[in-house]
Amino acid sequence: EVYLVESGGGLVQPGGSLRLSCAASGFTFSESWMSWVRQAPGKGLEWVANIKDDGSEESYVDSVKGRFTISRDNAKNSVYLQMRSLSVADTAVYYCARSPHDTKYNWFGPWGQGTLVTVSS
Amino acid sequence: DIVMTQSPDSLAVSLGERVTINCKSSQSVLYSSNKRNYLAWYQQKPGQPPKLIVYWASTRESGVPDRFSGSGSGTDFALTISSLQAEDVAIYYCQQHYGLPLTFGQGTKLEIK
Repeated sequence: EVYLVESGGGLVQPGGSLRLSCAASGFTFSESWMSWVRQAPGKGLEWVANIKDDGSEESYVDSVKGRFTISRDNAKNSVYLQMRSLSVADTAVYYCARSPHDTKYNWFGPWGQGTLVTVSS
Repeated sequence: DIVMTQSPDSLAVSLGERVTINCKSSQSVLYSSNKRNYLAWYQQKPGQPPKLIVYWASTRESGVPDRFSGSGSGTDFALTISSLQAEDVAIYYCQQHYGLPLTFGQGTKLEIK
């Protein structure tokens, strides 16, 4: 069975930084694209970033470009999201998801349980 | 960006009845070279992460009950539940994976009447 477990969320002040982690198991991580998707409280879903299986390609939504960095460590079966210059608008539950297709034009499944990031002073 | 618009925003249906949720993309998500529609559907129950139910517009994810089906092509798509069960109460989202940024519809909330 596939497991995705996110960690690293919490309360951070505007302008601060946070690093999210996602530990994966139950599938061949090194052969899978991975994504981060977020959901603001009571709102819909927003794709944030994805990364190629070997880490050689990354894509981002415009609102996080230059502030967020997705990375992975295939030896640890983990994907990360480094978030900088956080604003209130970044407050959301952040989900890690496997992207099954072998391109950046991907869908998401399965998903982790999510980790809540709250940006507030 | 490709804008995804779902209709209705919410609906209440009786148990055992048929449900149809619509999704319209602002441009075609049909890739001409492989004739595939780059459209997925998700189900999100309260307090849970989303769950993939359909991809390529009509391919049901493994383990998803066959009462769920996806249809459509180009810019107009639908998710149909043939006979509503109590456990189907959720918010349903469509998502295009034709272009970046990957975008979702606003969601359709399904309740029992």
